[in-house]
Amino acid sequence: AQTVTQSQPEMSVQEAETVTLSCTYDTSESDYYLFWYKQPPSRQMILVIRQEAYKQQNATENRFSVNFQKAAKSFSLKISDSQLGDAAMYFCAYRSARGSGGGADGLTFGKGTHLIIQP
Amino acid sequence: GAGVSQSPRYKVTKRGQDVALRCDPISGHVSLYWYRQALGQGPEFLTYFNYEAQQDKSGLPNDRFSAERPEGSISTLTIQRTEQRDSAMYRCASSLGRAGPALNEQYFGPGTRLTVT
Repeated sequence: AQTVTQSQPEMSVQEAETVTLSCTYDTSESDYYLFWYKQPPSRQMILVIRQEAYKQQNATENRFSVNFQKAAKSFSLKISDSQLGDAAMYFCAYRSARGSGGGADGLTFGKGTHLIIQP
Repeated sequence: GAGVSQSPRYKVTKRGQDVALRCDPISGHVSLYWYRQALGQGPEFLTYFNYEAQQDKSGLPNDRFSAERPEGSISTLTIQRTEQRDSAMYRCASSLGRAGPALNEQYFGPGTRLTVT
């Protein structure tokens, strides 16, 4: 079974600074997808960024980027120019690519990192 | 368009009672997933459906938990003889059910907060 580990229960960053959230995972599969989800106080689950394991290029979405190290099974999230609205729980998630075109396995989540933005 | 909806948003029940939680996925979404999220934890996968067929129920904690999606749209997660340890946020997600991560993105509902007293 796959596992996802987020070793930082809480991180704090000054507004406009850069912060990196770490995530490691364990799998015996070679093809999979990785995600970062944001959960603000409203408790919605919002997809921030995704990465396909077969792609060497790190994904970026505006101020959000990842550092994907497949051999090390590491998938960190970098948030640049932190804003107050970035304050939330951030969850790293894994999904197998074994699923057929009609659907896929569920997501395996880490325990989350609580990100605090200091004004 | 409308997102994933869940009802009720909050449910308080007494230990030993049965509860039914409803999920209405995004129209046209083939795949539907159920997760449970305890306080301070990440969501935990329970089960999922493609159309009306339950594909994987390996995450259901025990036989008190069951789910159905009889017409391939709305799904119900039922917990029989509830226990205090069942208290959690129950989330539903749906996806198009196509190959590839972008097309198979899971859209989450707001969740049902279940409290067993």
